[in-house]
Amino acid sequence: DAGITQSPRHKVTETGTPVTLRCHQTENHRYMYWYRQDPGHGLRLIHYSYGVKDTDKGEVSDGYSVSRSKTEDFLLTLESATSSQTSVYFCAISQEVHEQYFGPGTRLTVT
Amino acid sequence: AQSVTQPDIHITVSEGASLELRCNYSYGATPYLFWYVQSPGQGLQLLLKYFSGDTLVQGIKGFEAEFKRSQSSFNLRKPSVHWSDAAEYFCAVGAGTASKLTFGTGTRLQVTL
Repeated sequence: DAGITQSPRHKVTETGTPVTLRCHQTENHRYMYWYRQDPGHGLRLIHYSYGVKDTDKGEVSDGYSVSRSKTEDFLLTLESATSSQTSVYFCAISQEVHEQYFGPGTRLTVT
Repeated sequence: AQSVTQPDIHITVSEGASLELRCNYSYGATPYLFWYVQSPGQGLQLLLKYFSGDTLVQGIKGFEAEFKRSQSSFNLRKPSVHWSDAAEYFCAVGAGTASKLTFGTGTRLQVTL
């Protein structure tokens, strides 16, 4: 299994609070991704990174920001959490040719 | 932009029966195609992939998939399903230079004993 960890694995937070999710890899892969998974929607790309300090938006980026200051870490921040951001968040990594490997996920509940 | 359709939301098969999960994609050029499996509470695991060459690709756990350009399909098959195959299956297409994937909405497989 690819060396990908996500923290925290579970989090409950209140509406309006900031939340940061962390993805850490030990594979030295170039690309990193954040997805959210919701019933009936599959996985939707939030943001991705193609190198240190190089990031871009995915299809559902509103309300989210990311940062990548080191190859191994990719942070996803919800500046002011809303109930619509209750979801399971997955990090993925890729070196080339689109083949992505996924972390175990973070279940976020916004009350 | 590329898209993926998995027409079956839920499929139930008996253990030992054959399985085919459907996937149709939309993309103007030759796509990169993937099947992933997700067990409850777990992340996604790569089952198999198609990049080029032989249109019938073999994956892990006894799964195979066939790329049919004329039908824009990449259906997943298994000759004999085991109870442990019960999970959700996602088809994905990759395109462009940024190594991004677009996922289908998934098919949940239930296996009856």
